[in-house]
Amino acid sequence: AQSVTQLDSHVSVSEGTPVLLRCNYSSSYSPSLFWYVQHPNKGLQLLLKYTSAATLVKGINGFEAEFKKSETSFHLTKPSAHMSDAAEYFCVVGRGGSQGNLIFGKGTKLSVKP
Amino acid sequence: DGGITQSPKYLFRKEGQNVTLSCEQNLNHDAMYWYRQDPGQGLRLIYYSQIVNDFQKGDIAEGYSVSREKKESFPLTVTSAQKNPTAFYLCASSIMVGGATYEQYFGPGTRLTVT
Repeated sequence: AQSVTQLDSHVSVSEGTPVLLRCNYSSSYSPSLFWYVQHPNKGLQLLLKYTSAATLVKGINGFEAEFKKSETSFHLTKPSAHMSDAAEYFCVVGRGGSQGNLIFGKGTKLSVKP
Repeated sequence: DGGITQSPKYLFRKEGQNVTLSCEQNLNHDAMYWYRQDPGQGLRLIYYSQIVNDFQKGDIAEGYSVSREKKESFPLTVTSAQKNPTAFYLCASSIMVGGATYEQYFGPGTRLTVT
């Protein structure tokens, strides 16, 4: 069965410093993986997706994630944090089969200090 | 302007009343989904529909009902049988092609408060 674990519930960084949000997944086959961002009281926005084409995936707003099969990880990074990056981030794995459903991690709240 | 709309943004109801949340999409997506979000719990799937006039229970369907009479619309009814209905509800849609998993596009959400 597919599952996803976000290793930190809260990450705090200073503006201009790197961001690392950690995600491990479990899947019985080659997974589809996504990162979404949610600002307070808003819907979710897709940041990036991995669908086996390339292990380093670039997304919007300078974010990228690297798929590491040996480590079953899909960590999200950004070289330099901006105040507008403060939000909640969700790592997501495809459930598989014909359902097209997604399984969400519990989220990591990113705080950015000036 | 393509996207998903949910209305209303905030909804207040008394305990014991059924309430229906609206979700409309103009993305021409076949699949639509309803999620519930509670603090610290991520998103949990309530119901999903891959085609008109068909829908499936998700992980937490008890106390909820849906219909899919039109491709564009997927309303969710929170019934009085739902024990803890106060939550943030999110609707999403995606394309469906074969057995692949595609990204979902989300509406802005409806915050339901039941007292």
